Amino acid sequence: KAGVTQTPRYLIKTRGQQVTLSCSPISGHRSVSWYQQTPGQGLQFLFEYFSETQRNKGNFPGRFSGRQFSNSRSEMNVSTLELGDSALYLCASSLADSGGEQFFGPGTRLTVL
Amino acid sequence: GIQVEQSPPDLILQEGANSTLRCNFSDSVNNLQWFHQNPWGQLINLFYIPSGTKQNGRLSATTVATERYSLLYISSSQTTDSGVYFCAAPYYNNDMRFGAGTRLTVKP
Repeated sequence: KAGVTQTPRYLIKTRGQQVTLSCSPISGHRSVSWYQQTPGQGLQFLFEYFSETQRNKGNFPGRFSGRQFSNSRSEMNVSTLELGDSALYLCASSLADSGGEQFFGPGTRLTVL
Repeated sequence: GIQVEQSPPDLILQEGANSTLRCNFSDSVNNLQWFHQNPWGQLINLFYIPSGTKQNGRLSATTVATERYSLLYISSSQTTDSGVYFCAAPYYNNDMRFGAGTRLTVKP
């Protein structure tokens, strides 16, 4: 069974631009969660989607948004990029709707110049 | 929300030594996971262990849910065990809260 995939793996953008990251969950998993990892803040929850609905959102500004498609693939978008958005963005999928084992993708490393 | 604390923050071992990493959580949980982050950043699942004890080769984990802690044991450590170890517990639905991690360095 294929694991969680994320594209692109690396991305370089400049301040003010926007970016879209993609995550394909494990087949059959309907929950997709997104996390941001930075050296200063550690791993922080961004949002979670289940069956195309955003269920939870972390404490991030409205520039961070996402969506989930009917095939459970998810995208996250960051508009008006800031230097502080440079981070590793990880997505995870889970079979269960709550408290299930999470499986992570390889991440997208975003650098904002 | 749930707070997850890990100790120690850093650990340096000689190859062959054993180690214990600890994870404390502030509220009752129905899921507790341990991960190893590889040098490329991917989180590798080690254990899904809401309670009890599990073993996988040289690694084992124990969660005592009633006392709100979990332990990860690494025996006969190898240089390939180096990296950052995270524990995580759910806050709401599949919103997982992570500890700050334990950075393990195994020297040859």
